[in-house]
Amino acid sequence: AQRVTQVQPTGSSQWGEEVTLDCSYETSEYFYRIFWYRQLFSGEMVFLIYQPSFDTQNQRSGRYSVVFQKSFKSISLVISASQPEDSGTYFCALSELITNTGKLTFGDGTVLTVKP
Amino acid sequence: DPKIIQKPKYLVAVTGSEKILICEQYLGHNAMYWYRQSAKKPLEFMFSYSYQKLMDNQTASSRFQPQSSKKNHLDLQITALKPDDSATYFCASSQVWGHSQNTLYFGAGTRLSVL
Repeated sequence: AQRVTQVQPTGSSQWGEEVTLDCSYETSEYFYRIFWYRQLFSGEMVFLIYQPSFDTQNQRSGRYSVVFQKSFKSISLVISASQPEDSGTYFCALSELITNTGKLTFGDGTVLTVKP
Repeated sequence: DPKIIQKPKYLVAVTGSEKILICEQYLGHNAMYWYRQSAKKPLEFMFSYSYQKLMDNQTASSRFQPQSSKKNHLDLQITALKPDDSATYFCASSQVWGHSQNTLYFGAGTRLSVL
């Protein structure tokens, strides 16, 4: 069974600091992807970045990067030079590729506040 | 401009009534999905559609019925509403269903409150 856990319900940082948000997951599949989404205060969900399980290189997209520790089944989202506009709820989600029906298993989310 | 439009943004209904949640996507995607986010629960997958055909249904209740009149539309009809149906319902889409490079893009959600 799939499960995604985000143990930090909340997080905070100061403007310009680097922020790390943690996620752990359970899956019996070899091929999978981990996605990060951000939910704006309006409710909109925005795709940020994903990490394929078969790629040993940590993915990066703009100010977002991940630290992927496959053997520990954990992945962290790193936001560099955080800004108040980065505030929101960050969700980690797991997609198993063999049965890639678009079914994502989400974590509970981490509410991030970036202070000016 | 939002590429996935969900209407209405907020919806209040009485127990036992029926409502339709609207979703249109202008990303040119061929697959569409519904997810639900109940209070204090993570987002949960409900349905997936590809070229207007149901591909996966993880919703136990037949009270939830997706309706696809066009390739870029996937509405969600909910009948005999219950207070437990109160949640934010998210529509999503992706280029191709079942592809290993699938990335889902979400709308802003419809927040449904059932009294």
